[in-house]
Amino acid sequence: AQKITQTQPGMFVQEKEAVTLDCTYDTSDQSYGLFWYKQPSSGEMIFLIYQGSYDEQNATEGRYSLNFQKARKSANLVISASQLGDSAMYFCAMREGLKSSASKIIFGSGTRLSIRP
Amino acid sequence: DGGITQSPKYLFRKEGQNVTLSCEQNLNHDAMYWYRQDPGQGLRLIYYSQIVNDFQKGDIAEGYSVSREKKESFPLTVTSAQKNPTAFYLCASSIARQVNTEAFFGQGTRLTVV
Repeated sequence: AQKITQTQPGMFVQEKEAVTLDCTYDTSDQSYGLFWYKQPSSGEMIFLIYQGSYDEQNATEGRYSLNFQKARKSANLVISASQLGDSAMYFCAMREGLKSSASKIIFGSGTRLSIRP
Repeated sequence: DGGITQSPKYLFRKEGQNVTLSCEQNLNHDAMYWYRQDPGQGLRLIYYSQIVNDFQKGDIAEGYSVSREKKESFPLTVTSAQKNPTAFYLCASSIARQVNTEAFFGQGTRLTVV
């Protein structure tokens, strides 16, 4: 069954340090997409980065990169040089390609990241 | 500007009353979604729709109903059968049937039932 697991409910990181947020997933589909979103205290959902199951290289977007290990079914988000504005909830999400006609999107339980000055 | 509009931002209802949350998008997306978020928790899928006049149950559909009569609109009704309706509700849309496209979200509706 389609499932996303985020095992870190909360993390504290010193400003300017790098941080890795864990995400593992479960799917029997060969084609799928993995997404990371940021949710500040305002509640809005901000899309950060995408990784496709067939992508051979890890995705990068500015200070965000995705450490994709397909065999281990993990898609960890790495934030380099953390900033105070990075304090937020972070969600990992998955979209299967063939099952449910590639429209169902599910989310993990999230990680609350707090950056210390 | 293209986007998703949820209204109202805050909603208060008495226990036992049905309430309908609005979601409108002008992104020309075929797929639309409703998620529920409880404090400090993740997003749980209530219903999703891939095309007009069709929708599928998500993981927590009990006590909720939806309709998709227009491409732009996907209203969610929280019925009196929903035991714990107080929550933050997020509506989203995306291109349908493309695994590499992200979902775009509205600003959310915070529902409080007293």
